[in-house]
Amino acid sequence: RKEVEQDPGPFNVPEGATVAFNCTYSNSASQSFFWYRQDCRKEPKLLMSVYSSGNEDGRFTAQLNRASQYISLLIRDSKLSDSATYLCVVNGLTGGFKTIFGAGTRLFVKA
Amino acid sequence: NAGVTQTPKFRVLKTGQSMTLLCAQDMNHEYMYWYRQDPGMGLRLIHYSVGEGTTAKGEVPDGYNVSRLKKQNFLLGLESAAPSQTSVYFCASSTLAVTQTYEQYFGPGTRLTVT
Repeated sequence: RKEVEQDPGPFNVPEGATVAFNCTYSNSASQSFFWYRQDCRKEPKLLMSVYSSGNEDGRFTAQLNRASQYISLLIRDSKLSDSATYLCVVNGLTGGFKTIFGAGTRLFVKA
Repeated sequence: NAGVTQTPKFRVLKTGQSMTLLCAQDMNHEYMYWYRQDPGMGLRLIHYSVGEGTTAKGEVPDGYNVSRLKKQNFLLGLESAAPSQTSVYFCASSTLAVTQTYEQYFGPGTRLTVT
C-alpha cells in the first residue's frame, strides 16, 4: 500500500462546477499536510496548508480527518485556470524527517 | 528575486556517463532537497540537506550523490547514468521550522534522458 494515495483522475468538469479530491495516508504519526498544485511541465507550488479545524482560501476548502487518515480539497465555482494536477503532501518525523507526495489528481475544467 | 534555480534545464546522457545538476536558492533557506518525478509515482525524495555541510539519504538515494558546500547550493551527481534514471529532477528548499509546517519552494526542474 502506498503511504499517500490519491485518485489519479482525470476529473473532467465544466466551468462553475464544484469538485472534490480526497487523499488517504497510512502513517498515523503524520504531522502536517498540504495541497500543492502542479501545472503541466512546471514545478509544484503550494496551494494551501491543511489544518485540523479545516481552512478556506477563496474558492478552495481543505479538510483533515485524522481519525480516518484522509485529507480533502474542495474547489467551488471551477475556472478554466484551475486545470492542473493537485498533489497531496504529508509530512512526518517517524524515523527522521519525511515528506511524502501523492502521485497527484489531474483536473480538467472545460468551457 | 530568483527563488530556486536549476541548471541545466534539459540533458541527454548516454549510459555510463556522469553529470552534475546544480541547484541554487537565494532565500537563505536551511533545508534543501532533490526529488525525482516519474509518471504515476509522484515526487520521490533522493537526498536532502538540513544545513551547509550536511546531507542525508531520502527514499531513493541509490546511484546519486550530493554535496552542500555552500548554504545556497545543493549539487546532485550521477556517477554512471542508467536508463532508469531518466526522469524529471526537482530541487526544493524550505526554512528550518521546528513544527515542520513549512512550505517547500521548487525549482523549474531538469529533464534528463539517459539512452
